[in-house]
Amino acid sequence: NAGVTQTPKFQVLKTGQSMTLQCAQDMNHEYMSWYRQDPGMGLRLIHYSVGAGITDQGEVPNGYNVSRSTTEDFPLRLLSAAPSQTSVYFCASRNSLSYNEQFFGPGTRLTVL
Amino acid sequence: DAKTTQPPSMDCAEGRAANLPCNHSTISGNEYVYWYRQIHSQGPQYIIHGLKNNETNEMASLIITEDRKSSTLILPHATLRDTAVYYCIVRVGVTQGGSEKLVFGKGTKLTVNP
Repeated sequence: NAGVTQTPKFQVLKTGQSMTLQCAQDMNHEYMSWYRQDPGMGLRLIHYSVGAGITDQGEVPNGYNVSRSTTEDFPLRLLSAAPSQTSVYFCASRNSLSYNEQFFGPGTRLTVL
Repeated sequence: DAKTTQPPSMDCAEGRAANLPCNHSTISGNEYVYWYRQIHSQGPQYIIHGLKNNETNEMASLIITEDRKSSTLILPHATLRDTAVYYCIVRVGVTQGGSEKLVFGKGTKLTVNP
């Protein structure tokens, strides 16, 4: 299994541009989520999904959209990038009904100028 | 959700045991204690979790006090590759709806020295 994959690894955007961060998992996990990590802030939950067609907001959802059309994919969209969205973004997945581990992707480092 | 308190940094000699403390004095009866770590620039990695009893796996041991207000993660023989930020997280058990309650704090930066 590839686990959780994220693309791209690095991205530079100008203020106002839009883009989609891709996340895919091949473990048939129902639950997927997006976090952002800023220096000194730990990880903060942006959006999550408990299955295809179902999404919900986390702690810091403003400025981001998500959709879940398949079990495997959970893209994160920035509609109009702002410098405050400069961060490292991590996607994660787990079995919804499991008390066990959450698997994280390698991250996408985004810079908004 | 219960909050956790961890020291910002710790040092450990290679080959010795690393004991990382975590306070979670407001933990509820149905909240689990999870530990993750994050090696520089990588995604977080699950280590271990527990509810009441002490737990051990191939990576570490988790000791939870009887009142569940604190816990200790033990890396029995720390190596240089264990240098990372360690997160103690308290999480409500998964609900039928599967809502997420995993909240990361700032963690403890563990440095293993040769």
